[in-house]
Amino acid sequence: AQSVAQPEDQVNVAEGNPLTVKCTYSVSGNPYLFWYVQYPNRGLQFLLKYITGDNLVKGSYGFEAEFNKSQTSFHLKKPSALVSDSALYFCAVRDRASSASKIIFGSGTRLSIRP
Amino acid sequence: EAGVAQSPRYKIIEKRQSVAFWCNPISGHATLYWYQQILGQGPKLLIQFQNNGVVDDSQLPKDRFSAERLKGVDSTLKIQPAKLEDSAVYLCASSSTSGGGQPQHFGDGTRLSIL
Repeated sequence: AQSVAQPEDQVNVAEGNPLTVKCTYSVSGNPYLFWYVQYPNRGLQFLLKYITGDNLVKGSYGFEAEFNKSQTSFHLKKPSALVSDSALYFCAVRDRASSASKIIFGSGTRLSIRP
Repeated sequence: EAGVAQSPRYKIIEKRQSVAFWCNPISGHATLYWYQQILGQGPKLLIQFQNNGVVDDSQLPKDRFSAERLKGVDSTLKIQPAKLEDSAVYLCASSSTSGGGQPQHFGDGTRLSIL
């Protein structure tokens, strides 16, 4: 069975500093991996995805994520945080091995950027 | 391009009453999803449609929840009778195909409170 873990409920970063939001996954085959962001009272917005190829994936709003197969991780990063990045972030995984597999979302990490 | 539309945004009902939610996906998107997001958790898939056929409803509590997607466009999700544990945000999402690497586009959800 596939699963995804976000080990940190909250991450606090000062504006201008780099940020990392952690995600690890478990699938039987190879994964499709996604990051979404959710602002208060809004739906999830797609940030970026990993399908194949380069392990470093660039997405919206200056975010990027690094796929690490040996560590089964897909951490979200940004070189310089903005206060407007404060939101709830979800990592998601789908098992490539099964065409019937569904996307599984992590429990979310609340990112707080202080001015 | 217009996004995924959902209504109502908020609904308050008493337990044992019934409620219905409506979703209009992005034009041309064949795949439609309904998720339940309980406070502090990631979204959980309730049902997935491909056009007007059900692909996955394994996590839909079928004794009280039902969903339909007439003509492969709009969709409604119904709860009858509601229980206290159904208090959550109900998110609708769509994607152009059900292919593994396709990102999902989410509506802003319906926040359901059960008294």
